[in-house]
Amino acid sequence: EAGVAQSPRYKIIEKRQSVAFWCNPISGHATLYWYQQILGQGPKLLIQFQNNGVVDDSQLPKDRFSAERLKGVDSTLKIQPAKLEDSAVYLCASSPSGGGGDTQYFGPGTRLTVL
Amino acid sequence: AQSVAQPEDQVNVAEGNPLTVKCTYSVSGNPYLFWYVQYPNRGLQFLLKYITGDNLVKGSYGFEAEFNKSQTSFHLKKPSALVSDSALYFCAVRDMNNQGGKLIFGQGTELSVKP
Repeated sequence: EAGVAQSPRYKIIEKRQSVAFWCNPISGHATLYWYQQILGQGPKLLIQFQNNGVVDDSQLPKDRFSAERLKGVDSTLKIQPAKLEDSAVYLCASSPSGGGGDTQYFGPGTRLTVL
Repeated sequence: AQSVAQPEDQVNVAEGNPLTVKCTYSVSGNPYLFWYVQYPNRGLQFLLKYITGDNLVKGSYGFEAEFNKSQTSFHLKKPSALVSDSALYFCAVRDMNNQGGKLIFGQGTELSVKP
């Protein structure tokens, strides 16, 4: 079974530029998550989708971050404009149904450096 | 608020010795608890979870964890450490008060196993 795919793996941009990340979840998984992991910290949820609907985006900085999940499969996360403090690893995860005991499976992440 | 704490930033163990990585949690209601491992430049890999049932949970790569309700702990253990176990370990709890049931992660514990 293929895992969660993410691209690109690394991205370096200047502040105020825009950037987009792509995620392809495990086939058949209804729930998709985007996490931000700042160096030295645990991951923090940015947004959660159930199929193509948003379940939780309470910690997404909506003035600069946006995300969509078209057709309930692939997802993109965009930052526009980027700030220095956005430097982090962006992790995508998916789970079968989003239930309490569900296991979330993570992709390799995209490491973003904002200069 | 739901939370987890990993009191040790780093744990050092000699190869062949038993290892313990500590985790305590604070939740309202029954906890759903998870352990993940992160190798350099890679995403999080699922090790094991506690949902209900036996307090001793067995997982991948010989790891196990003991759920202790009275001490609100979920420590990760392995009887005999390998050098290849050296990595960053995260404990997480499912926030079931949140609509999406997001994972809340600890700060992580760096495990170093020396030959």
